[in-house]
Amino acid sequence: QKEVEQNSGPLSVPEGAIASLNCTYSDRGSQSFFWYRQYSGKSPELIMFIYSNGDKEDGRFTAQLNKASQYVSLLIRDSQPSDSATYLCAVLQGGSEKLVFGKGTKLTVNP
Amino acid sequence: EPEVTQTPSHQVTQMGQEVILRCVPISNHLYFYWYRQILGQKVEFLVSFYNNEISEKSEIFDDQFSVERPDGSNFTLKIRSTKLEDSAMYFCASSVSGDQPQHFGDGTRLSIL
Repeated sequence: QKEVEQNSGPLSVPEGAIASLNCTYSDRGSQSFFWYRQYSGKSPELIMFIYSNGDKEDGRFTAQLNKASQYVSLLIRDSQPSDSATYLCAVLQGGSEKLVFGKGTKLTVNP
Repeated sequence: EPEVTQTPSHQVTQMGQEVILRCVPISNHLYFYWYRQILGQKVEFLVSFYNNEISEKSEIFDDQFSVERPDGSNFTLKIRSTKLEDSAMYFCASSVSGDQPQHFGDGTRLSIL
C-alpha cells in the first residue's frame, strides 16, 4: 500500500512567523509532488508543485523535495491568519495518474 | 481564471436510488478525475478518464460506479443503488496531461438517507 504521511497537527504559529509542514512518502517511483490547501468544507486548492530535488519558491511559499529521503516540505513565510487551513500533501506515482493524498496538517495562524 | 465546475453542490438521496454527479472540466484539459472525501478522512482517488475511456480506477470504484463524457463539455459520475457509506464529498478534477497538476472543482456533498 503506497502511503503519504503527514503530521496531523494542529500546528499553531503566530502571525508573521514561518510555518513548516512536512510529508513523507513510501513509493520511490513517485515523480510529482503537490501541496493543496483545503479550508474547512471546501475543495483542495493547488498552491505548489515540485518535480525535482531542491527548492521551489512562489511568493511566500517554498516547496522542498528530497527524493533520496522521500521527503517533501512546504514553508510558508510571513504567515497570515488567512493561511489557517488544512494543508494536503499529494503524490503522483510514476506511471500513474492517481494522486495519493496524506491526511493533511491543520495549520492555525494566530493574530 | 478557468475552473472546474460541479453540480449540484448538495445532493440528498434515499438509499438504493441512483445519483448522477456532474462536472464541467477546464476546457483545454484532457484528463478527468473523480475523488471522494468521507468526512474527517483523506481525499481518495476513484477514477481517471482520458480519450473517452477509463485509464485507471481504484478498488473503491466497483460495479456500482460508472463515468461518462456524454458530450464535449460534461463529465459525469453515476452511482447505482446508493449505500449509506457512499455519503461523502465528491470532487471532480482535471489536468492538461496525466503528470500535470490536477485542479479540483468545489465538490458535491452527497448525503444518503
